[in-house]
Amino acid sequence: GAGVSQSPRYKVAKRGQDVALRCDPISGHVSLFWYQQALGQGPEFLTYFQNEAQLDKSGLPSDRFFAERPEGSVSTLKIQRTQQEDSAVYLCASSLGQGSGTGELFFGEGSRLTVL
Amino acid sequence: SQKIEQNSEALNIQEGKTATLTCNYTNYSPAYLQWYRQDPGRGPVFLLLIRENEKEKRKERLKVTFDTTLKQSLFHITASQPADSATYLCALIPSYKLIFGSGTRLLVRP
Repeated sequence: GAGVSQSPRYKVAKRGQDVALRCDPISGHVSLFWYQQALGQGPEFLTYFQNEAQLDKSGLPSDRFFAERPEGSVSTLKIQRTQQEDSAVYLCASSLGQGSGTGELFFGEGSRLTVL
Repeated sequence: SQKIEQNSEALNIQEGKTATLTCNYTNYSPAYLQWYRQDPGRGPVFLLLIRENEKEKRKERLKVTFDTTLKQSLFHITASQPADSATYLCALIPSYKLIFGSGTRLLVRP
Protein backbone atom coordinates (compact mmCIF):
# COMPACT_ATOMS: atom_id res chain seq x y z
CA GLY A 1 0.00 0.00 0.00
CA ALA A 2 0.91 3.62 -0.26
CA GLY A 3 1.14 4.28 3.44
CA VAL A 4 1.25 2.63 6.85
CA SER A 5 -2.00 0.82 7.52
CA GLN A 6 -3.31 0.05 11.00
CA SER A 7 -6.29 -2.01 12.07
CA PRO A 8 -8.65 -1.84 13.75
CA ARG A 9 -9.02 1.95 13.82
CA TYR A 10 -11.21 1.68 16.91
CA LYS A 11 -11.39 -1.05 19.49
CA VAL A 12 -13.54 -1.21 22.60
CA ALA A 13 -12.56 -3.91 25.07
CA LYS A 14 -13.87 -4.95 28.41
CA ARG A 15 -11.35 -4.91 31.20
CA GLY A 16 -9.51 -8.22 31.24
CA GLN A 17 -9.92 -8.96 27.54
CA ASP A 18 -6.96 -9.52 25.24
CA VAL A 19 -6.56 -7.30 22.17
CA ALA A 20 -4.38 -7.46 19.07
CA LEU A 21 -3.52 -4.41 16.98
CA ARG A 22 -2.10 -4.81 13.52
CA CYS A 23 0.35 -2.66 11.58
CA ASP A 24 1.16 -3.02 7.90
CA PRO A 25 4.18 -0.80 7.20
CA ILE A 26 5.29 0.63 3.88
CA SER A 27 6.72 -2.15 1.75
CA GLY A 28 10.49 -2.42 2.06
CA HIS A 29 10.76 -0.35 5.21
CA VAL A 30 13.33 -1.85 7.53
CA SER A 31 12.40 -0.11 10.77
CA LEU A 32 9.09 -0.30 12.57
CA PHE A 33 8.12 1.52 15.75
CA TRP A 34 5.12 1.35 18.06
CA TYR A 35 4.12 4.42 20.06
CA GLN A 36 1.37 5.02 22.60
CA GLN A 37 -0.38 8.39 22.66
CA ALA A 38 -2.60 9.48 25.54
CA LEU A 39 -5.08 12.30 25.03
CA GLY A 40 -3.34 15.66 24.85
CA GLN A 41 0.12 14.13 25.01
CA GLY A 42 2.85 13.38 22.53
CA PRO A 43 3.54 9.84 21.34
CA GLU A 44 5.50 7.71 23.83
CA PHE A 45 7.91 5.08 22.50
CA LEU A 46 6.95 1.46 23.11
CA THR A 47 9.14 -0.76 20.96
CA TYR A 48 11.37 -0.89 17.88
CA PHE A 49 11.95 -3.55 15.22
CA GLN A 50 14.67 -3.72 12.62
CA ASN A 51 13.33 -6.23 10.13
CA GLU A 52 12.12 -9.14 12.28
CA ALA A 53 14.40 -8.41 15.22
CA GLN A 54 12.95 -6.57 18.20
CA LEU A 55 15.90 -4.43 19.19
CA ASP A 56 14.28 -2.32 21.86
CA LYS A 57 11.22 -3.04 23.97
CA SER A 58 12.12 -0.74 26.82
CA GLY A 59 8.96 1.34 26.46
CA LEU A 60 6.46 -1.49 26.91
CA PRO A 61 4.57 -0.60 30.11
CA SER A 62 4.28 -4.12 31.50
CA ASP A 63 4.64 -7.77 30.62
CA ARG A 64 1.02 -7.68 29.46
CA PHE A 65 2.29 -5.95 26.32
CA PHE A 66 3.88 -8.02 23.60
CA ALA A 67 4.88 -7.13 20.02
CA GLU A 68 6.10 -9.21 17.14
CA ARG A 69 7.12 -8.85 13.51
CA PRO A 70 7.84 -12.44 12.51
CA GLU A 71 8.58 -11.96 8.80
CA GLY A 72 9.96 -8.46 8.95
CA SER A 73 6.87 -6.79 7.53
CA VAL A 74 3.50 -6.86 9.32
CA SER A 75 3.65 -6.30 13.06
CA THR A 76 1.16 -7.06 15.82
CA LEU A 77 0.95 -5.41 19.22
CA LYS A 78 -0.86 -7.60 21.71
CA ILE A 79 -2.17 -6.47 25.06
CA GLN A 80 -3.26 -9.15 27.48
CA ARG A 81 -5.77 -8.67 30.29
CA THR A 82 -6.44 -5.07 29.32
CA GLN A 83 -6.77 -2.43 32.02
CA GLN A 84 -8.42 0.97 31.87
CA GLU A 85 -5.04 2.69 31.88
CA ASP A 86 -4.27 0.96 28.57
CA SER A 87 -6.85 3.22 26.88
CA ALA A 88 -4.92 5.29 24.35
CA VAL A 89 -4.13 5.61 20.66
CA TYR A 90 -1.50 3.14 19.50
CA LEU A 91 0.54 4.47 16.60
CA CYS A 92 2.72 2.45 14.29
CA ALA A 93 5.46 4.09 12.22
CA SER A 94 7.97 2.82 9.71
CA SER A 95 11.12 4.15 8.09
CA LEU A 96 13.24 3.01 5.18
CA GLY A 97 16.57 2.79 6.96
CA GLN A 98 17.81 1.69 10.32
CA GLY A 99 16.23 3.50 13.22
CA SER A 100 14.81 6.93 12.63
CA GLY A 101 18.05 7.80 10.88
CA THR A 102 18.03 11.13 9.16
CA GLY A 103 14.77 10.44 7.47
CA GLU A 104 11.18 10.82 8.39
CA LEU A 105 8.96 8.37 10.16
CA PHE A 106 5.77 7.48 8.31
CA PHE A 107 2.92 7.04 10.75
CA GLY A 108 -0.32 5.16 10.43
CA GLU A 109 -3.61 6.68 11.52
CA GLY A 110 -3.48 4.80 14.80
CA SER A 111 -5.68 2.34 16.63
CA ARG A 112 -7.79 3.92 19.36
CA LEU A 113 -8.27 1.50 22.22
CA THR A 114 -10.92 2.12 24.85
CA VAL A 115 -11.04 -0.22 27.82
CA LEU A 116 -14.29 -0.18 29.78
CA SER B 1 15.90 13.94 34.10
CA GLN B 2 15.42 14.21 30.35
CA LYS B 3 12.65 16.53 29.25
CA ILE B 4 11.21 17.96 26.07
CA GLU B 5 8.94 20.92 26.67
CA GLN B 6 6.46 22.52 24.30
CA ASN B 7 3.95 25.16 25.22
CA SER B 8 0.89 23.33 26.49
CA GLU B 9 -1.34 26.34 25.93
CA ALA B 10 -2.84 26.69 22.47
CA LEU B 11 -1.45 29.44 20.28
CA ASN B 12 -4.26 31.49 18.81
CA ILE B 13 -3.33 33.87 15.97
CA GLN B 14 -4.89 35.86 13.16
CA GLU B 15 -4.63 34.62 9.59
CA GLY B 16 -1.66 36.14 7.80
CA LYS B 17 0.49 36.50 10.92
CA THR B 18 3.59 34.45 11.71
CA ALA B 19 3.16 31.62 14.19
CA THR B 20 6.17 30.78 16.35
CA LEU B 21 6.25 27.57 18.35
CA THR B 22 8.95 26.67 20.87
CA CYS B 23 10.58 23.39 21.78
CA ASN B 24 12.99 23.29 24.73
CA TYR B 25 14.88 20.25 25.92
CA THR B 26 17.13 19.29 28.80
CA ASN B 27 19.64 16.50 29.30
CA TYR B 28 19.63 15.42 25.67
CA SER B 29 22.31 15.85 23.05
CA PRO B 30 20.34 15.15 19.90
CA ALA B 31 22.04 14.89 16.55
CA TYR B 32 18.79 15.75 14.82
CA LEU B 33 15.47 17.33 15.58
CA GLN B 34 12.23 16.92 13.64
CA TRP B 35 8.89 18.68 13.55
CA TYR B 36 5.62 16.90 12.84
CA ARG B 37 2.06 18.05 12.30
CA GLN B 38 -0.84 16.10 13.78
CA ASP B 39 -4.50 16.65 12.98
CA PRO B 40 -7.25 15.32 15.28
CA GLY B 41 -7.74 11.57 14.87
CA ARG B 42 -4.75 11.25 12.52
CA GLY B 43 -1.16 10.13 12.82
CA PRO B 44 1.71 12.64 12.89
CA VAL B 45 3.03 13.82 9.52
CA PHE B 46 6.67 14.77 9.03
CA LEU B 47 7.41 18.39 8.19
CA LEU B 48 11.10 19.19 8.62
CA LEU B 49 14.36 17.78 9.95
CA ILE B 50 17.27 19.90 11.13
CA ARG B 51 20.74 18.66 12.05
CA GLU B 52 22.77 19.83 15.02
CA ASN B 53 25.24 21.63 12.76
CA GLU B 54 22.48 23.52 10.94
CA LYS B 55 21.22 26.76 12.43
CA GLU B 56 18.19 27.15 10.21
CA LYS B 57 16.13 25.19 7.71
CA ARG B 58 13.36 26.43 5.44
CA LYS B 59 10.61 24.77 3.43
CA GLU B 60 8.03 26.96 1.72
CA ARG B 61 6.32 28.92 4.56
CA LEU B 62 8.03 26.90 7.27
CA LYS B 63 11.27 27.77 9.06
CA VAL B 64 13.01 25.87 11.84
CA THR B 65 15.95 26.98 13.95
CA PHE B 66 18.05 24.76 16.20
CA ASP B 67 20.23 26.24 18.95
CA THR B 68 22.17 23.47 20.67
CA THR B 69 23.63 25.95 23.18
CA LEU B 70 20.22 27.16 24.33
CA LYS B 71 18.80 23.62 23.79
CA GLN B 72 15.93 25.11 21.87
CA SER B 73 14.22 24.87 18.52
CA LEU B 74 11.83 27.44 17.11
CA PHE B 75 9.27 26.57 14.44
CA HIS B 76 7.81 29.40 12.38
CA ILE B 77 4.89 29.42 9.96
CA THR B 78 4.77 32.63 7.96
CA ALA B 79 1.58 34.00 6.36
CA SER B 80 -0.44 31.55 8.44
CA GLN B 81 -3.73 30.16 7.12
CA PRO B 82 -6.69 28.52 8.87
CA ALA B 83 -5.61 25.25 7.24
CA ASP B 84 -2.42 25.43 9.35
CA SER B 85 -4.53 24.83 12.48
CA ALA B 86 -3.25 21.59 14.02
CA THR B 87 -1.00 20.28 16.79
CA TYR B 88 2.71 20.58 16.11
CA LEU B 89 5.10 18.10 17.72
CA CYS B 90 8.83 18.42 18.05
CA ALA B 91 10.87 15.24 18.27
CA LEU B 92 14.48 14.64 19.21
CA ILE B 93 16.63 11.87 17.81
CA PRO B 94 19.34 11.27 20.42
CA SER B 95 20.01 7.82 18.98
CA TYR B 96 17.81 5.66 16.76
CA LYS B 97 14.34 6.49 18.07
CA LEU B 98 12.25 9.63 18.15
CA ILE B 99 11.41 11.17 21.51
CA PHE B 100 8.40 13.49 21.23
CA GLY B 101 7.31 16.56 23.08
CA SER B 102 3.68 16.89 24.10
CA GLY B 103 2.87 19.21 21.22
CA THR B 104 1.43 22.71 20.87
CA ARG B 105 -1.98 23.32 19.36
CA LEU B 106 -2.11 26.13 16.82
CA LEU B 107 -5.40 27.85 15.96
CA VAL B 108 -5.39 30.28 13.04
CA ARG B 109 -8.45 32.54 12.95
CA PRO B 110 -9.78 33.66 9.55
